[in-house]
Amino acid sequence: GAVVSQHPSWVICKSGTSVKIECRSLDFQATTMFWYRQFPKQSLMLMATSNEGSKATYEQGVEKDKFLINHASLTLSTLTVTSAHPEDSSFYICSAPTGWREGYTFGSGTRLTVV
Amino acid sequence: KNQVEQSPQSLIILEGKNCTLQCNYTVSPFSNLRWYKQDTGRGPVSLTIMTFSENTKSNGRYTATLDADTKQSSLHITASQLSDSASYICVVTTDSWGKFQFGAGTQVVVTP
Repeated sequence: GAVVSQHPSWVICKSGTSVKIECRSLDFQATTMFWYRQFPKQSLMLMATSNEGSKATYEQGVEKDKFLINHASLTLSTLTVTSAHPEDSSFYICSAPTGWREGYTFGSGTRLTVV
Repeated sequence: KNQVEQSPQSLIILEGKNCTLQCNYTVSPFSNLRWYKQDTGRGPVSLTIMTFSENTKSNGRYTATLDADTKQSSLHITASQLSDSASYICVVTTDSWGKFQFGAGTQVVVTP
């Protein structure tokens, strides 16, 4: 089936630095990519929706200048956490719609820890 | 207020036993309801999808039911295995690829 490859699986960075997370669609074209954040023992929270070739749509309360999303091709979408702070530490997951039966295929997630 | 409510929040069951998870929603209009399994530290994986006209859907030892009139769904796990330990998430979509709502998930722990 369809696969969304997400990297890195985990990253530790210093406060104030930026971190880029990549999601690649393998064997299919992802015109849309959803980005989520998940805190421990909580549900997935949609942060933004990226569409290839256009600006991302951010959910209310999500700072677009802090969470930069780029969807420059049909197989790659990136999320960059800029000037990361410890409160940005979370589990970030992407997903892409892959068909009626499969629904949304999720990446394996990225555990971000800001120290 | 979340439009998709899942219960229980967590449960512990013995290996080999059955269990049932609940999902109640108020999302409208309704397009489809999916159940996902999320292992710790991994992305969710789809288990079942049901549309308005479908009452039940099975995937191995997982059986989902849907009552669109009462807006309730359940996920039944038969003969649980240790590998069933995970979070199970109910997701309701309002149109084909439109807005969707996630439930908070039910954390299932299967013990030997």
